[in-house]
Amino acid sequence: EDQVTQSPEALRLQEGESSSLNCSYTVSGLRGLFWYRQDPGKGPEFLFTLYSAGEEKEKERLKATLTKKESFLHITAPKPEDSATYLCAVSMFSGGYNKLIFGAGTRLAVHP
Amino acid sequence: NAGVTQTPKFQVLKTGQSMTLQCAQDMNHNSMYWYRQDPGMGLRLIYYSASEGTTDKGEVPNGYNVSRLNKREFSLRLESAAPSQTSVYFCASSESRAIRMELFFGSGTQLSVL
Repeated sequence: EDQVTQSPEALRLQEGESSSLNCSYTVSGLRGLFWYRQDPGKGPEFLFTLYSAGEEKEKERLKATLTKKESFLHITAPKPEDSATYLCAVSMFSGGYNKLIFGAGTRLAVHP
Repeated sequence: NAGVTQTPKFQVLKTGQSMTLQCAQDMNHNSMYWYRQDPGMGLRLIYYSASEGTTDKGEVPNGYNVSRLNKREFSLRLESAAPSQTSVYFCASSESRAIRMELFFGSGTQLSVL
């Protein structure tokens, strides 16, 4: 079964304490992996797309990496404004069209 | 530049009532989507429209209908609301349904069905 699993469900960090969020997937025919940020009461906001194993993307304190089975979102020296839910999604070709499967997300809280 | 605009922001319905959620995008995107988000679950696709004039079912279409009114607007209708449809609904758009399909989301509609 095609599946996307994010861990941990929730993460609490002190300001400046670096950590990583995990997104593991079991899909056939990965077309792309996407990371989104979602603030409370708002819609998800696109962060990164990764297409192949070994690829990395960076934006400010965030760095996304991709292997054949999982992706990591590394957060370096986080600040309170990085607090949000981070969603991972996998694009695959299924039933004649591109299908997007979302993980349940990791809720990140960064405390001063 | 508004992006994706959804209305209403909040709605409370009684079981059996009907309502339409409105969505409009100003990015000239071809594809539009309706998702629902429930606690502990990933976003699930209800319906999508790959291009103007076409609509297709997603993972969880039962109890919903959609209309792609024009390239900008895509509405979601609940004909007879049920408590199981209590959720947060998001409209999204993308350039196309091809591999480069970063989605741009609206701010959501929180729906409660009593």
